Amino acid sequence: DAGVIQSPRHEVTEMGQEVTLRCKPISGHDYLFWYRQTMMRGLELLIYFNNNVPIDDSGMPEDRFSAKMPNASFSTLKIQPSEPRDSAVYFCASSSAGNTIYFGEGSWLTVV
Amino acid sequence: GIQVEQSPPDLILQEGANSTLRCNFSDSVNNLQWFHQNPWGQLINLFYIPSGTKQNGRLSATTVATERYSLLYISSSQTTDSGVYFCGKDYKLSFGAGTTVTVRA
Repeated sequence: DAGVIQSPRHEVTEMGQEVTLRCKPISGHDYLFWYRQTMMRGLELLIYFNNNVPIDDSGMPEDRFSAKMPNASFSTLKIQPSEPRDSAVYFCASSSAGNTIYFGEGSWLTVV
Repeated sequence: GIQVEQSPPDLILQEGANSTLRCNFSDSVNNLQWFHQNPWGQLINLFYIPSGTKQNGRLSATTVATERYSLLYISSSQTTDSGVYFCGKDYKLSFGAGTTVTVRA
């Protein structure tokens, strides 16, 4: 299996622009997670899905952030409008039945 | 409150040395995992270990759920072991702040 695939790997955007991050989980996995990593806050869970249904979005920082999972093989995390403080590495991860969690390589976002 | 605490925060090792990293958690655990984040930022799962002991090459881990801690052992450390080691708890993976390990040749 190719593992969890994220795109883009790197993005630099201007403040106020919309950012869409994409994730393809490992085939057959029923859990999908979005995390954000910053120096100040470390690794924090933003939202997770089970069988494509959002279960817990309490980590989503504010209404500017939204996440969808239209099918078992695709998820998006959208930031609109983006702000400099959103600069971080965004990780997508997936697992089967909540067991071993596999991370993608991350999307490095810089908002200037 | 803090759910997961890791110690030590930093560790410098000479190549070939052994070390132990600790993860304490504040309440019961259903799922405990150890990860290594390498210098390129990749997060690699080392162990899924809600209880008991597992070994994988030079690495091993033990979780004592009743006492709310987990240990990661690195034996005969190599420079490629450098990076940050995280433990994560439960499905939501509440992460500790990590232990930064530097192995010197």
